[in-house]
Amino acid sequence: EADIYQTPRYLVIGTGKKITLECSQTMGHDKMYWYQQDPGMELHLIHYSYGVNSTEKGDLSSESTVSRIRTEHFPLTLESARPSHTSQYLCASSAPGNTEAFFGQGTRLTVV
Amino acid sequence: RKEVEQDPGPFNVPEGATVAFNCTYSNSASQSFFWYRQDCRKEPKLLMSVYSSGNEDGRFTAQLNRASQYISLLIRDSKLSDSATYLCVVNRGGGFKTIFGAGTRLFVKA
Repeated sequence: EADIYQTPRYLVIGTGKKITLECSQTMGHDKMYWYQQDPGMELHLIHYSYGVNSTEKGDLSSESTVSRIRTEHFPLTLESARPSHTSQYLCASSAPGNTEAFFGQGTRLTVV
Repeated sequence: RKEVEQDPGPFNVPEGATVAFNCTYSNSASQSFFWYRQDCRKEPKLLMSVYSSGNEDGRFTAQLNRASQYISLLIRDSKLSDSATYLCVVNRGGGFKTIFGAGTRLFVKA
């Protein structure tokens, strides 16, 4: 089993609220990613990080922001949640080189 | 055109059937390739890496054709438990950005 954890697993929140989705991994991986996936649809990369203090936007535009202050932690923040943010958010990490990505169990976000 | 394209699904097959999935990628600098499996409402998990020489893991065989920029996955003797979405995954040059295909859903029926 991969040692990458996301919290919360499920979240229902009102429009306009600020939320932070947590992601932590204990594998010492430098690379970390956030993907967004709607039910039955494909994964879209929204943020990634090479390592501490490095963050980049992914292929899908997102109103969320990320930070990477510690290797093991890669939180994603929405300053003002909207119904259009309703989706599943998957965090992943990988070791250096062309290696596989390990995924957390995801956070299912519903904005009402 | 998407960078990674997969066969549209779903595939509906009986138990015991052999099924093949195809995937093409457009970035010739891509360096590594994988097949992932994603069960309904679960996270993707690595099924197998894909090597230039082709590789086999039990009932699963993966092949890579760099010249044609094409990856395949063959599942023999399908089981009910093989029902899932199969994702073709490509790492771009430098190995950093991991690109997922849209996935092909497989239903294996008794």
